[in-house]
Amino acid sequence: GAGVSQSPSNKVTEKGKDVELRCDPISGHTALYWYRQSLGQGLEFLIYFQGNSAPDKSGLPSDRFSAERTGGSVSTLTIQRTQQEDSAVYLCASSPAGTGGSPLHFGNGTRLTVT
Amino acid sequence: AQSVTQPDIHITVSEGASLELRCNYSYGATPYLFWYVQSPGQGLQLLLKYFSGDTLVQGIKGFEAEFKRSQSSFNLRKPSVHWSDAAEYFCAVGSPYSSASKIIFGSGTRLSIRP
Repeated sequence: GAGVSQSPSNKVTEKGKDVELRCDPISGHTALYWYRQSLGQGLEFLIYFQGNSAPDKSGLPSDRFSAERTGGSVSTLTIQRTQQEDSAVYLCASSPAGTGGSPLHFGNGTRLTVT
Repeated sequence: AQSVTQPDIHITVSEGASLELRCNYSYGATPYLFWYVQSPGQGLQLLLKYFSGDTLVQGIKGFEAEFKRSQSSFNLRKPSVHWSDAAEYFCAVGSPYSSASKIIFGSGTRLSIRP
């Protein structure tokens, strides 16, 4: 079956512009995560959606970052007024359940470059 | 709050040699523990996971990991590495006590294989 799909795969934007990154999780997966992977860094947790519960936004680095998940499926991560330090690979993952024991299925990521 | 430490940023081993990648976690109880691998140009893939029971868990590609409660560790091992094992390895932790629990990753260990 189809895996987690992210688009675009690459995005180059000018500093100060807004960007939207999209994630299509595996059908039926109730949990959805966004992570950021910068060069030489690990996977930095950004935000977590589980079903109809309020999202866990504790990892968002600033109020320029926001995310939504419509209809419990597709998610969009928005970065406003992008800065050069936002350059990274943004990874989306989904899992079939929201407990901490469900393995994650990752997309291939969106590589964001802010010039 | 849960956290994961991978103290080795980069390790180089000879092909055929044994491997041990270190992972220490911080959590108030026994968490769910995972190892993921990210091969060059590929997405993250689950190697193995520990939930409970036998503290030595077997994974794919000949990897195993041992949970040691007294040391808060979950080190990854392989008796004989192959050149194809060159990749980035991530340890991760999740909570078994919440119905809505995020998974936190360590900073990763990059493994290089010497011919």
